[in-house]
Amino acid sequence: GAGVSQSPSNKVTEKGKDVELRCDPISGHTALYWYRQRLGQGLEFLIYFQGNSAPDKSGLPSDRFSAERTGESVSTLTIQRTQQEDSAVYLCASSSPPPGLAGGRGDTQYFGPGTRLTVL
Amino acid sequence: GIQVEQSPPDLILQEGANSTLRCNFSDSVNNLQWFHQNPWGQLINLFYIPSGTKQNGRLSATTVATERYSLLYISSSQTTDSGVYFCAVGGNNRLAFGKGNQVVVIP
Repeated sequence: GAGVSQSPSNKVTEKGKDVELRCDPISGHTALYWYRQRLGQGLEFLIYFQGNSAPDKSGLPSDRFSAERTGESVSTLTIQRTQQEDSAVYLCASSSPPPGLAGGRGDTQYFGPGTRLTVL
Repeated sequence: GIQVEQSPPDLILQEGANSTLRCNFSDSVNNLQWFHQNPWGQLINLFYIPSGTKQNGRLSATTVATERYSLLYISSSQTTDSGVYFCAVGGNNRLAFGKGNQVVVIP
């Protein structure tokens, strides 16, 4: 079946502008995650959704970053007043319910191809 | 938060050689995954392995949860194995990633 998809694949913006990044998780996956990967680095956790609630927002680096999710589907990560240090690849992942709930395969996270954000 | 250390950071292999990548982590976890990030940036799931041993073709992985480490074995390496290998650990809410093992397989 279809994997996690993200759009746009690339985004170039000017400092100070707002950007929206979109993630479509795997159908049926109730958990959704956003991560950021700076050049040559590992991934940093940003935010986690279970359904449309976000019990863990602790990774968001500043109040310029926000995210929302519609039901158990699409999520949007918004960065306001972008700065050059926001330049990175933003990756989204989704996972199925944990064991014990219907259809669960545990916490395996499946990643999308990412959005490469460049702030000039 | 959980600290994840991967070694070696860089590895150059002759095609056909075997290698072992190591991941040490600082706390008990209920999720451990190995990924391969290809040159286009896509993260490919290799193993979900919070404990025990698994094999998939030329790759295998072992996690010793009580000693807080995991190993990824690559046998008979091929040029397509080149890329960055990430170990990620955590619980239900998030994964903490190491800095990766950069592997280059030369023909």
